[in-house]
Amino acid sequence: GENVEQHPSTLSVQEGDSAVIKCTYSDSASNYFPWYKQELGKGPQLIIDIRSNVGEKKDQRIAVTLNKTAKHFSLHITETQPEDSAVYFCAASLSYGNKLVFGAGTILRVKS
Amino acid sequence: GAVVSQHPSWVICKSGTSVKIECRSLDFQATTMFWYRQFPKQSLMLMATSNEGSKATYEQGVEKDKFLINHASLTLSTLTVTSAHPEDSSFYICSPYGAGGGEKLFFGSGTQLSVL
Repeated sequence: GENVEQHPSTLSVQEGDSAVIKCTYSDSASNYFPWYKQELGKGPQLIIDIRSNVGEKKDQRIAVTLNKTAKHFSLHITETQPEDSAVYFCAASLSYGNKLVFGAGTILRVKS
Repeated sequence: GAVVSQHPSWVICKSGTSVKIECRSLDFQATTMFWYRQFPKQSLMLMATSNEGSKATYEQGVEKDKFLINHASLTLSTLTVTSAHPEDSSFYICSPYGAGGGEKLFFGSGTQLSVL
């Protein structure tokens, strides 16, 4: 089955700097890759997603890149703010509506 | 994003009792419901998948007789933890899916279960 690895496990950045979180997946059939932000005691919140027929997607300060050949995808957050501090999870699935396999998560701390 | 309502947000119960968690999709019809479990400082692990009107499919290692899932309508699914024990203490999160939800997966706010 699918296996998703996520790095780093923790990331500390200064406010205003950029943050990059990377994930690799094992199943070449996976074609949907969402990213979630989870705050303490809350459910995950979808922040951006990408399908395998797209190499990059951007939404304001957040962007996701996908390298299907290498089977890895990354989350880029620019101009980080203290409210970006949270746990971020990457995930992979075969398609919309299929179960998600999650990475282990990255604790992002933005220092002001 | 889609509106998902999950209740209760937290529950404390005695060992041996049963606890029911409700998940509602408020603005679209959920033909499929995913139930996840998350232990402290860990990732989300899928427990089971249910399709409306059908029996749930459980992931390996998840006891179907312990975690009862009902998905009798397109807007409501319930997870009942039967004869709960301290090791069942965890954060349970639902994720409804349906074409009306934009084909994306959104999550409920989660239920923190603590079994004494």
